[in-house]
Amino acid sequence: NAGVTQTPKFQVLKTGQSMTLQCAQDMNHNSMYWYRQDPGMGLRLIYYSASEGTTDKGEVPNGYNVSRLNKREFSLRLESAAPSQTSVYFCASSETVNNSPLHFGNGTRLTVT
Amino acid sequence: DAKTTQPNSMESNEEEPVHLPCNHSTISGTDYIHWYRQLPSQGPEYVIHGLTSNVNNRMASLAIAEDRKSSTLILHRATLRDAAVYYCILSFYKLSFGAGTTVTVRA
Repeated sequence: NAGVTQTPKFQVLKTGQSMTLQCAQDMNHNSMYWYRQDPGMGLRLIYYSASEGTTDKGEVPNGYNVSRLNKREFSLRLESAAPSQTSVYFCASSETVNNSPLHFGNGTRLTVT
Repeated sequence: DAKTTQPNSMESNEEEPVHLPCNHSTISGTDYIHWYRQLPSQGPEYVIHGLTSNVNNRMASLAIAEDRKSSTLILHRATLRDAAVYYCILSFYKLSFGAGTTVTVRA
């Protein structure tokens, strides 16, 4: 049982480049989330998808777009990367919002130069 | 939206209990209280969650105040593997995690 799988694990981008972070879960969860974590700080919510077909902004959505491709997959896109987006990105899923545990992936470490 | 307040750090000796407090004075009636922990260079890991009653699982216990404005995560016998950052969060689908409490366990 893989749980939440994120790809890639590491990525280096130049300012202005674009890329998509991929996330897939095999637990048949309805809800999925994208967080970023800067050094020494907690996780900040970028976007979430409460159920297939819906997406909503979190605390720090600027500079990002998301797609809930199907129930399993939730991708995060950086259209024009900036150094301020250098961070570790975590994807998570839960059976429902609020009353079920979050399951996290192992993260993608992104550096923008 | 309800936020939480936790101490920045706590220290404990191995095999002693650890009590981690969390204040959430603006909690709403539908907010569940969740606890996660994060070991260095890893993603967060679920610990426990509850609504009104105290909860126990194999990892920890969660004691919730009667007015639900505070809660305490209890690690009954700390081990070196429990050294981590512990996060208390409500309504994670709307809010970000705070800075959490860094727990250090002394051998």
